[in-house]
Amino acid sequence: TQLLEQSPQFLSIQEGENLTVYCNSSSVFSSLQWYRQEPGEGPVLLVTVVTGGEVKKLKRLTFQFGDARKDSSLHITAAQPGDTGLYLCAGADSGTYKYIFGTGTRLKVLA
Amino acid sequence: ETGVTQSPTHLIKTRGQQVTLRCSSQSGHNTVSWYQQALGQGPQFIFQYYREEENGRGNFPPRFSGLQFPNYSSELNVNALELDDSALYLCASSGIGTGELFFGEGSRLTVL
Repeated sequence: TQLLEQSPQFLSIQEGENLTVYCNSSSVFSSLQWYRQEPGEGPVLLVTVVTGGEVKKLKRLTFQFGDARKDSSLHITAAQPGDTGLYLCAGADSGTYKYIFGTGTRLKVLA
Repeated sequence: ETGVTQSPTHLIKTRGQQVTLRCSSQSGHNTVSWYQQALGQGPQFIFQYYREEENGRGNFPPRFSGLQFPNYSSELNVNALELDDSALYLCASSGIGTGELFFGEGSRLTVL
């Protein structure tokens, strides 16, 4: 069974601080996605990483896919209250578009 | 371009009842996936439909069933509801050759 574990589970930081969220598995994924979900809404795709070692940037967010395609990280620079939400990683089951979601990291950024 | 829409947004049922949740996929998308998200957890894959056929299933019992229609909209049916079925049910559509999931806002089911 493929599992994705995220850490930390909860994170409360002050505006302007930096943070990193980790997504780890013992399984290899063909691709990995990061989503942000706000209360009462469905998850919204932030990025897809496909190649081992790939790094993608989205404004203040930096995403990295591990060399072995088993893990990923999300780094936020100078966090803002608008970054508050549930961050989810999701790995694609090899050869399919079935996604296994991580346990989630709930981020709260205080003004 | 119309996004993914789900109905109803909220509903309350009692144990043993049956429920049908509906999803209209994003225009041009032929694949629909259903996920169950319990409070405070990540979504769990229930099943996926592609061209009206089930195309993969997660670890859910047979009382969770689904349909996809020729217009690619979909239904999730749950029979013999249990208290643990209380959750947010998310529908996601994806297009041909892409793995990007576009989620609806979900249907929040409460089983009493």
